[in-house]
Amino acid sequence: SAVISQKPSRDICQRGTSLTIQCQVDSQVTMMFWYRQQPGQSLTLIATANQGSEATYESGFVIDKFPISRPNLTFSTLTVSNMSPEDSSIYLCSVEVRGGTELFGSGTQLSVL
Amino acid sequence: SQKIEQNSEALNIQEGKTATLTCNYTNYSPAYLQWYRQDPGRGPVFLLLIRENEKEKRKERLKVTFDTTLKQSLFHITASQPADSATYLCALAKSGGATNKLIFGTGTLLAVQP
Repeated sequence: SAVISQKPSRDICQRGTSLTIQCQVDSQVTMMFWYRQQPGQSLTLIATANQGSEATYESGFVIDKFPISRPNLTFSTLTVSNMSPEDSSIYLCSVEVRGGTELFGSGTQLSVL
Repeated sequence: SQKIEQNSEALNIQEGKTATLTCNYTNYSPAYLQWYRQDPGRGPVFLLLIRENEKEKRKERLKVTFDTTLKQSLFHITASQPADSATYLCALAKSGGATNKLIFGTGTLLAVQP
């Protein structure tokens, strides 16, 4: 089965700065997703990372705030731009494996001061 | 839009008992429904998938049922152990689009007491 790694695992950032989160999978996958999990909440899909084209964003999320790259079928990055304390959350990447199920990275715990 | 409801309160049970967690959805019935386990500081881990034409699915001590009339899935852990303590999330596919994007419930925290 596929192995997925995400980094950094956690970071503390200053207001107004940006953080780029990386997600690497050890085999080629078509579908890769980025989620946000706010404290005490469930996962909310931010966007689908598409290889070779712009990411597909869900309602309430925009490219200027959450730019995503997907240069190949094994790697993606999510940037959280111009951060504010409201962006403090866990960010998770996932890939679709067989039958519509998803394999998740271990997450990035982001705290914005 | 589709909404998913899970017991927001923690479920506390004694070791050896059966834990039953509930997932209700409000809109269309999905082609399938999934259950995930999430431990603190970790990403969710897939447990079971049940399709709309399946009433029940089992895997070792886990059992999932799916009632499209009630718009409900039940997740059972038999002979529960303290190691089963975690948050359990149900998820189902969003409607429309070319991909099976998932929406997740808020999860139920299960605590199994020794």
